[in-house]
Amino acid sequence: QVQLVQSGPEVKKPGASVKLSCKGSGDTFSTSSIHWLRQAPGQSLEWLGWNNADNGHSESSQSFQGRVTFTRDSSANTAYMELSSLRPEDTSVFYCARAVACNNVGCLHFDSWGQGSLVTVSS
Amino acid sequence: DIQMTQSPSTLSASVGDRVTITCRASQSIAGWLAWFQQKPGKAPKLLIYQASTLETGVPSRFSGSGSGTEFTLTISSLQPDDFATYYCQQYNTYYTFGQGTKLEIK
Repeated sequence: QVQLVQSGPEVKKPGASVKLSCKGSGDTFSTSSIHWLRQAPGQSLEWLGWNNADNGHSESSQSFQGRVTFTRDSSANTAYMELSSLRPEDTSVFYCARAVACNNVGCLHFDSWGQGSLVTVSS
Repeated sequence: DIQMTQSPSTLSASVGDRVTITCRASQSIAGWLAWFQQKPGKAPKLLIYQASTLETGVPSRFSGSGSGTEFTLTISSLQPDDFATYYCQQYNTYYTFGQGTKLEIK
């Protein structure tokens, strides 16, 4: 498994953007496709999208299309997620997770997770 | 979107009890289902994937079964460390989670 360490908490105003990082350890990170999920307070988990390590392509959930961007810096073993046009209901803990057995269509289960990054959106 | 529905939402049980959590998918997902355990302030932890395969290092008191649209997670003999929230997740078509089952101490 790969170890994932996420960036710290953020406080943003409505309409702003936030960019979170997810740094992986070990030489398997370069071949690890990273997914991003979020969990609003007291709620279940919601998938935002992913960055495919094999071809560099990204895909987002329809719920976030046009508002979220996924990138990675392989030289730094780091994946990034940027969410724009923030609103108070975006207040959540955001997680990165590594998925196994990915191809150009999708992946199987998530076996490693970051510790989470709390994003608070408030005026 | 595939909807995942767990029952019950809350389960009260005692150490040593056998408990079962059910997860239903709105359409067939074959065996593409995972179970996670989450404790307050922590990331989810993978317990089972492909409906019934135990993740390395997970105690054998956890087991999963099912296929198609109905799945179960069973804990054969509850231990104090097992009181947490459990989520099912499908990965047949994109990725969606159940609403969670909170396992409480009776």
